[in-house]
Amino acid sequence: AQSVTQLGSHVSVSEGALVLLRCNYSSSVPPYLFWYVQYPNQGLQLLLKYTSAATLVKGINGFEAEFKKSETSFHLTKPSAHMSDAAEYFCANSPSGGYQKVTFGTGTKLQVIP
Amino acid sequence: DGGITQSPKYLFRKEGQNVTLSCEQNLNHDAMYWYRQDPGQGLRLIYYSQIVNDFQKGDIAEGYSVSREKKESFPLTVTSAQKNPTAFYLCASSSGQGASNYGYTFGSGTRLTVV
Repeated sequence: AQSVTQLGSHVSVSEGALVLLRCNYSSSVPPYLFWYVQYPNQGLQLLLKYTSAATLVKGINGFEAEFKKSETSFHLTKPSAHMSDAAEYFCANSPSGGYQKVTFGTGTKLQVIP
Repeated sequence: DGGITQSPKYLFRKEGQNVTLSCEQNLNHDAMYWYRQDPGQGLRLIYYSQIVNDFQKGDIAEGYSVSREKKESFPLTVTSAQKNPTAFYLCASSSGQGASNYGYTFGSGTRLTVV
């Protein structure tokens, strides 16, 4: 069975500080991994995805994530937080090959302090 | 612009009523999904459909029903059998082989409240 675990349901950072949101996956096969962002009362928007082409994945809004197989991790980072980054972030996992359902983590709410 | 349209944005249901949430996409995606979102629980899959006239139960299908008569449309009915329907409902779509490779496109959601 595949799953993802997001460490920390709430994370607070100061504006301009490093953003680090943690995600660990468990999968019996090389996974496809995603990060989504959700603003209040809206749907989810894809930030970035890992599909085995490169371990460091760059996404929108200055975010990036690094796939580390040895640590089964796919943490999301941004060098400098902006007020507009305040939102909820979801890590998601899907096994490789054909049609597959996606499993979502429970989400991490990011607060950016001025 | 292509996308997914969910309506209504807010919906109120009385006890014992069935209500239907609309989801329409113009992305020409084969697969469509319904998720339920509750605070602190992430997204839970209710139903999904890979092709027209075919759909599968997800993890929490009890008390819900769907249809897929057209590629563009995947309405969700919340029946009176669903005992705790108050939640935020999200519809998503992906291309045929895309759930693994391309990610989902989401609608803006419907917030359902029991009154």
